[in-house]
Amino acid sequence: KQEVTQIPAALSVPEGENLVLNCSFTDSAIYNLQWFRQDPGKGLTSLLLIQSSQREQTSGRLNASLDKSSGRSTLYIAASQPGDSATYLCAVSGAGSYQLTFGKGTKLSVIP
Amino acid sequence: SAVISQKPSRDICQRGTSLTIQCQVDSQVTMMFWYRQQPGQSLTLIATANQGSEATYESGFVIDKFPISRPNLTFSTLTVSNMSPEDSSIYLCSVEDHLSYEQYFGPGTRLTVT
Repeated sequence: KQEVTQIPAALSVPEGENLVLNCSFTDSAIYNLQWFRQDPGKGLTSLLLIQSSQREQTSGRLNASLDKSSGRSTLYIAASQPGDSATYLCAVSGAGSYQLTFGKGTKLSVIP
Repeated sequence: SAVISQKPSRDICQRGTSLTIQCQVDSQVTMMFWYRQQPGQSLTLIATANQGSEATYESGFVIDKFPISRPNLTFSTLTVSNMSPEDSSIYLCSVEDHLSYEQYFGPGTRLTVT
């Protein structure tokens, strides 16, 4: 059974810092990995999707990497802003399955 | 990307009653998914809903408790039946883009059962 772990559970940084969020998964036979953002009491916003054949994806100040063999992904946020404060969720889908398995998320607070 | 809306956005319900949550997508999609997010927990898939067929439920979820309808390619409902306080959660629907395989989520329905 796939398990997804996100470390740290919470992170507080001053505005302007670069930061890295970590995600690990136990079964390397994934189809893709997706990073989401969730604001308090709200739904999920898709940030980046990495196919299993890819190593990284970039969108603006966000860069996500994938090392499938070691079961790890990182989300790099450059020049953090208070508006980046949210919970960041990592999710993986297995080969032949649409089901996403989610981690518990990292709650990020960017202090002005 | 798909735009998804859900109704209601939140509700407070009494124990033993039922609530039907609606999910509307702005484009036709083959598969729709229903997730539950219990307080302090991550998301768990309840079921997958295909138009024209019975929903497929994940382990631990049954049709009698969470009946799902999928009358067309843009709409689905999830009913939470005979509610108890343990059903207090955020319920989210999602769809998958068949070209990019990216999943998109609705804003969620926050349910509180008293």
